[in-house]
Amino acid sequence: DAGVIQSPRHEVTEMGQEVTLRCKPISGHDYLFWYRQTMMRGLELLIYFNNNVPIDDSGMPEDRFSAKMPNASFSTLKIQPSEPRDSAVYFCASTKVSRTDTQYFGPGTRLTVL
Amino acid sequence: KNEVEQSPQNLTAQEGEFITINCSYSVGISALHWLQQHPGGGIVSLFMLSSGKKKHGRLIATINIQEKHSSLHITASHPRDSAVYICAVWSGGADGLTFGKGTHLIIQP
Repeated sequence: DAGVIQSPRHEVTEMGQEVTLRCKPISGHDYLFWYRQTMMRGLELLIYFNNNVPIDDSGMPEDRFSAKMPNASFSTLKIQPSEPRDSAVYFCASTKVSRTDTQYFGPGTRLTVL
Repeated sequence: KNEVEQSPQNLTAQEGEFITINCSYSVGISALHWLQQHPGGGIVSLFMLSSGKKKHGRLIATINIQEKHSSLHITASHPRDSAVYICAVWSGGADGLTFGKGTHLIIQP
């Protein structure tokens, strides 16, 4: 298997623009997670899905952030409008059966908002 | 919300030394993860623990549920072990997954 795939790997945008990050989990994995990592706050769980259904979005910072999982092989994290404080590395991860299983991380998307 | 503390924050050691990284948390959990983040930024899951002890190669992870504490040990450390090691815990209810700040480990040849 190719592992968790994220795109783009790097994104530079200007404040106010819409940003869409993409993730393809490992085939057959039931759970998908979105994380954000910054120097100040470290790693944070933003939202996770089970069988395409959002289970816990309490980590989503504000209404500018939204996430969808239209099918088992694709998820998006959208920021609209983007702000400089959204600059971070965003990771996607998946697990096979339960939320506490071993997590397989994607390579991350480094987002810079100017 | 569960508070996760890791120690030490930074550790520099010589090749071959035995390494211990600690993780303490404040509220009972259902599972604990140890993650390794390489200098290039990639994250790898090393262990998932709910009780007892696990071993994989030169890495050993233990957890004491009563004391709310876990340790990650590296035997015969090697420069390629240089990385940030992150502890994360799944709490019950709405707390979700909480991360420690990480331990930055450097192994010098």
